[in-house]
Amino acid sequence: GESVGLHLPTLSVQEGDNSIINCAYSNSASDYFIWYKQESGKGPQFIIDIRSNMDKRQGQRVTVLLNKTVKHLSLQIAATQPGDSAVYFCAENIISGGYNKLIFGAGTRLAVHP
Amino acid sequence: DVKVTQSSRYLVKRTGEKVFLECVQDMDHENMFWYRQDPGLGLRLIYFSYDVKMKEKGDIPEGYSVSREKKERFSLILESASTNQTSMYLCASRPQGPEQYFGPGTRLTVT
Repeated sequence: GESVGLHLPTLSVQEGDNSIINCAYSNSASDYFIWYKQESGKGPQFIIDIRSNMDKRQGQRVTVLLNKTVKHLSLQIAATQPGDSAVYFCAENIISGGYNKLIFGAGTRLAVHP
Repeated sequence: DVKVTQSSRYLVKRTGEKVFLECVQDMDHENMFWYRQDPGLGLRLIYFSYDVKMKEKGDIPEGYSVSREKKERFSLILESASTNQTSMYLCASRPQGPEQYFGPGTRLTVT
């Protein structure tokens, strides 16, 4: 299997429970945030995004919460399924040198147990 | 759907070899990126390109170069591969907004 997930914090949940994955970001000027999911052997896939002028956004079974006061982002997954097992990354968008640049967190591994 | 493809899923090269990693996107995106991904470190930006024949250094460009001769293709070059370049390499492309679309990755091992 892929070694990208070694040394990552791991969240273990039972199938059907809700999962909350947290992320701290560093730049108060970040204007846009994205959550990515990376399954073993695949590239990161977009899950959901949120702009800095919002504090909550909902998708299908997923919700992202943004707390700009403490620079914290969370991803909530409702009724977690085995197919949700993956590494989850948050990313913040900053403007650097006139370009949009994504800064990625180290990731959290979600392990779903039946 | 956006499709980003990378030429190899797995690659094994010897120290000192010149290595080419190819990336192609089919959505006419102007921006393309090369990252490497190492355990516990997340994704680190090597180089990016915002137009044909244009390139910009990312956070860790040392030991790498890139080429963008056509809009759809962005190549990462390791002039003389070293063992510390053993990693997962991810290519991404992006339209005008911030969201990036990733390829499946190339796992490079340098022995």
